[in-house]
Amino acid sequence: DAKTTQPNSMESNEEEPVHLPCNHSTISGTDYIHWYRQLPSQGPEYVIHGLTSNVNNRMASLAIAEDRKSSTLILHRATLRDAAVYYCIPISSTDKLIFGTGTRLQVFP
Amino acid sequence: NAGVTQTPKFRVLKTGQSMTLLCAQDMNHEYMYWYRQDPGMGLRLIHYSVGEGTTAKGEVPDGYNVSRLKKQNFLLGLESAAPSQTSVYFCASRLAGGSTDTQYFGPGTRLTVL
Repeated sequence: DAKTTQPNSMESNEEEPVHLPCNHSTISGTDYIHWYRQLPSQGPEYVIHGLTSNVNNRMASLAIAEDRKSSTLILHRATLRDAAVYYCIPISSTDKLIFGTGTRLQVFP
Repeated sequence: NAGVTQTPKFRVLKTGQSMTLLCAQDMNHEYMYWYRQDPGMGLRLIHYSVGEGTTAKGEVPDGYNVSRLKKQNFLLGLESAAPSQTSVYFCASRLAGGSTDTQYFGPGTRLTVL
């Protein structure tokens, strides 16, 4: 399983962009990079994933480094509802899906 | 389409008692997972299944057993509960493979062992 490194916590003000980094230097060539988030008192939910090129959806953008050893989840305008723990997970189709400790994002009004 | 449901939502056990947590999904997913989450901690994988009739150990399998007799259900059993098993248990199912790979989580079961 590929190992990941994320900062324990980050802070942002409302309506500012947030860049959440993740290092995954042992990722294999076929692993997709997935991001999930867990809101307080809820189960995790899918945010976004990608393989090589940058990806956008209505929740966030995912920027993947050219060497694929790191990626950045971008929230373009943070809201109070984005306060959560964000998990970065390299996944292949047969993986058992190990979550790390994630990054706790605090958003201030 | 209910997604992933978990039964019960809350439970209090005494040390040594047994119980079974039920996870059900209606999305026809092959993969299912059980995680535990202790206060202030991340999720740890207990057991998982890649299809009906199959199970495999995760990171912290000791003290738990699982069964996947039907594709839509994944059961987690505690044979003799211990206070160290006090936690929130999350079940997930997964549409595995490539560009559509997504994991869906249930709302969790909060278990307290006295």
